[in-house]
Amino acid sequence: GAVVSQHPSRVICKSGTSVKIECRSLDFQATTMFWYRQFPKQSLMLMATSNEGSKATYEQGVEKDKFLINHASLTLSTLTVTSAHPEDSSFYICSANPVSSYEQYFGPGTRLTVT
Amino acid sequence: GQQVMQIPQYQHVQEGEDFTTYCNSSTTLSNIQWYKQRPGGHPVFLIQLVKSGEVKKQKRLTFQFGEAKKNSSLHITATQTTDVGTYFCAGQEMRGSARQLTFGSGTQLTVLP
Repeated sequence: GAVVSQHPSRVICKSGTSVKIECRSLDFQATTMFWYRQFPKQSLMLMATSNEGSKATYEQGVEKDKFLINHASLTLSTLTVTSAHPEDSSFYICSANPVSSYEQYFGPGTRLTVT
Repeated sequence: GQQVMQIPQYQHVQEGEDFTTYCNSSTTLSNIQWYKQRPGGHPVFLIQLVKSGEVKKQKRLTFQFGEAKKNSSLHITATQTTDVGTYFCAGQEMRGSARQLTFGSGTQLTVLP
């Protein structure tokens, strides 16, 4: 099946710094990728839809200047958490689906801890 | 916007008992998907239901999609300890060319040996 990787799997950073998370589709091309955020024991909340070659579409309440998304190629999307604060600590998961499939393939997630 | 509600939030069962989780959408869905997330892991696709009234089975798992395409259920027969995890339904709608999922709140299943 299709594989999506995410890097890093865990990151600890200091408050005020920026963190970049990469999401790659390893064996298929994805014109669209999705970024989710999941707090402990809660559901996945869609943050934004990443579109290859164009601007990302952000969900209501998600600050686009804080969560920068770049989808530079058909296999790579990046999420940069800028000026991170402790409340940004969370599990960030990306997903992508092949053009011909409804099934979304999820990356393993990145656990961000901001101290 | 679309909302997807799921109940119950938690379920503890004895191994061998059955388990059901229910999902309701505020809007009609183009399709509904079910995912399983093990503790510490990421969601893994289980199945997709597209047709009104559709029923699909995977071994001990039975998935149903309501006639109005607004509700769905997942039933596990004779649970095993390997069934432990959180089960999410996710409604899919088309926004332009993007296939976005709206996740339910999930049902965390604990199976006691």
